Amino acid sequence: NAGVTQTPKFQVLKTGQSMTLQCAQDMNHEYMSWYRQDPGMGLRLIHYSVGAGITDQGEVPNGYNVSRSTTEDFPLRLLSAAPSQTSVYFCASSYPTGPGTYEQYFGPGTRLTVT
Amino acid sequence: GDSVTQMEGPVTLSEEAFLTINCTYTATGYPSLFWYVQYPGEGLQLLLKATKADDKGSNKGFEATYRKETTSFHLEKGSVQVSDSAVYFCALSDRAAGNKLTFGGGTRVLVKP
Repeated sequence: NAGVTQTPKFQVLKTGQSMTLQCAQDMNHEYMSWYRQDPGMGLRLIHYSVGAGITDQGEVPNGYNVSRSTTEDFPLRLLSAAPSQTSVYFCASSYPTGPGTYEQYFGPGTRLTVT
Repeated sequence: GDSVTQMEGPVTLSEEAFLTINCTYTATGYPSLFWYVQYPGEGLQLLLKATKADDKGSNKGFEATYRKETTSFHLEKGSVQVSDSAVYFCALSDRAAGNKLTFGGGTRVLVKP
């Protein structure tokens, strides 16, 4: 199993440009999430999905869109990049291990810089 | 809302020293608690977890005990190695939304030979 894969590893955008961060998992997990990591703030949840066709907002959703057409893929779209979106982005997939408890697997991250 | 507070780093130690990283939380429900580790240039890996009060999670020589009375989940290791140099994150998930994690700010640990 490849686990959770993300592309690209690095990206530089100019303000106003759009792009899609790709995320795929081969573990047949129903749950997938996007987090951003900023210095001193840990990881914050952007959007998540509980299955194909179902998405919802997390803590910091503004400026990002997601869709989930298949179980495997969960792309994150930046429609008009802003410098405040400079961050490291992590995708995760998870499965339930008990009542209300999930084990999450993280991808290697995408480092995005917006100038 | 839920929140996690952990000690700021960096924490610099010599090899074989004792490591403690403090973590406290606030939660409206009865959360599950986690420690994740991030090695340089990599994503996060689950280090250990505890799902109910007084549970002790352990892995790779690291331990943490779920203390409901003090809302804490401190990470400890008795003898660190250079390979333990990493950023450590404390996190919780609420049982009502268990697939969503709330993270602390992370603590960078540097172990010198």
